[in-house]
Amino acid sequence: EPEVTQTPSHQVTQMGQEVILRCVPISNHLYFYWYRQILGQKVEFLVSFYNNEISEKSEIFDDQFSVERPDGSNFTLKIRSTKLEDSAMYFCASSDRSRYGYTFGSGTRLTVV
Amino acid sequence: GNSVTQMEGPVTLSEEAFLTINCTYTATGYPSLFWYVQYPGEGLQLLLKATKADDKGSNKGFEATYRKETTSFHLEKGSVQVSDSAVYFCALIGGSYIPTFGRGTSLIVHP
Repeated sequence: EPEVTQTPSHQVTQMGQEVILRCVPISNHLYFYWYRQILGQKVEFLVSFYNNEISEKSEIFDDQFSVERPDGSNFTLKIRSTKLEDSAMYFCASSDRSRYGYTFGSGTRLTVV
Repeated sequence: GNSVTQMEGPVTLSEEAFLTINCTYTATGYPSLFWYVQYPGEGLQLLLKATKADDKGSNKGFEATYRKETTSFHLEKGSVQVSDSAVYFCALIGGSYIPTFGRGTSLIVHP
C-alpha cells in the first residue's frame, strides 16, 4: 500500500537553529499538508499546498515557517529560527483529488533544546 | 468554527471488554466524520468514516454512527484486543477540506 514517508523520525535542534523536515507524499496525490501535535494536545493544521503554492494556512503558520516542493517528489517544511514551543510531532499528509482520502506519514518528532 | 470534543483518556480495559469512546462535534453545514488511530511510533491511520447523517462507518470490528440530532460520532467495539491499544482521534472535515481533530483518547487494553 502506498505510504507517505517522513524523515528524520526524530530531530533534536538548538533554539534559534533552522530545521527542515522532509516528506515524500504518495506519487499521484495532488494536495499536501503539514500538521503538528504538541505532546498531549490535539493535532493542529499548519498548511496545505496545491499546484505549487500554499492554498490554506493556519494562524500557527507564521513567517518562521515555509514549505517547498523542490522537485517532483519531496515536500519540505522549514522552520527558520526554532523556539522551544516548536517542539512537537510534525505530520505530513497527502490526499488525492477527492481531498478526503488523507494518508499521513509516521511523523517527525522535533525537540528544541 | 468547527470543533471536536472527545472523552479524555486514558481508557483502560481488559481484553474482550466493550469499548465506547465518545465524540461530539460542532460544525456548520454537513461535515464528514472520521476516526483515526495512531499506534505507538506510527502515523495517523484512517480507521473509519461516515459522510452523511445516519451513516455507519465500520472497520476491523469498530463502528461509529453519524448522529446529526446529537451531533455525535461515538466509536464502539464489542470486544477489544491488546493490539487495539493506541490513541484514537475523532475528526471532521467540512467545506474547507481541512480536518479538525479532537485531542485524542488513549486506549490501553490489558490481557
